[in-house]
Amino acid sequence: AQSVTQLGSHVSVSEGALVLLRCNYSSSVPPYLFWYVQYPNQGLQLLLKYTTGATLVKGINGFEAEFKKSETSFHLTKPSAHMSDAAEYFCAVKREGGKLIFGQGTELSVKP
Amino acid sequence: NAGVTQTPKFQVLKTGQSMTLQCAQDMNHEYMSWYRQDPGMGLRLIHYSVGAGITDQGEVPNGYNVSRSTTEDFPLRLLSAAPSQTSVYFCASSPRPGNTEAFFGQGTRLTVV
Repeated sequence: AQSVTQLGSHVSVSEGALVLLRCNYSSSVPPYLFWYVQYPNQGLQLLLKYTTGATLVKGINGFEAEFKKSETSFHLTKPSAHMSDAAEYFCAVKREGGKLIFGQGTELSVKP
Repeated sequence: NAGVTQTPKFQVLKTGQSMTLQCAQDMNHEYMSWYRQDPGMGLRLIHYSVGAGITDQGEVPNGYNVSRSTTEDFPLRLLSAAPSQTSVYFCASSPRPGNTEAFFGQGTRLTVV
């Protein structure tokens, strides 16, 4: 069965610093992987997705993620954090039949 | 563009009461699903549907029923609410089950007292 693990329930960075949010998946077949962002009291919004092809995926708001099959990882990065990036971030994998399975979430805080 | 619309946004129920959370999408998506979000647990799949007339259970289906009589609507029913069902509920839809993204509603915050 496919599952997703996000390392660190809370990450705090200073404005302008690198953002790194970790996600590892378990899958017996090449997965479809997603990162979603949730701002307070809102629904989830897609940041980026990996299906096939290029392993470095660029998303919205300057975020990108790299699919590393050998490490079963799909970590999310942004070179320079902005105050507006403060939110909760979810990694997800799509299972057979279209079921989207989420990690536990990582809350990102950005300090001025 | 309405997208995925959930109603109500907030609801307080007494233990044992029943209610229906509504979800409608106007994108002609085949696939719809319901999740609950609890602190530290991410989003967990309750029920999903791959098309009108077809539903199936997710990870945490107990205490919830669904039906899919039309492509647009996918209501979630709580037959006898329990405090453990206090949560934020999200409905999502996607064009098909494959590599397409899911579009989420704004959520329903449910409190059972």
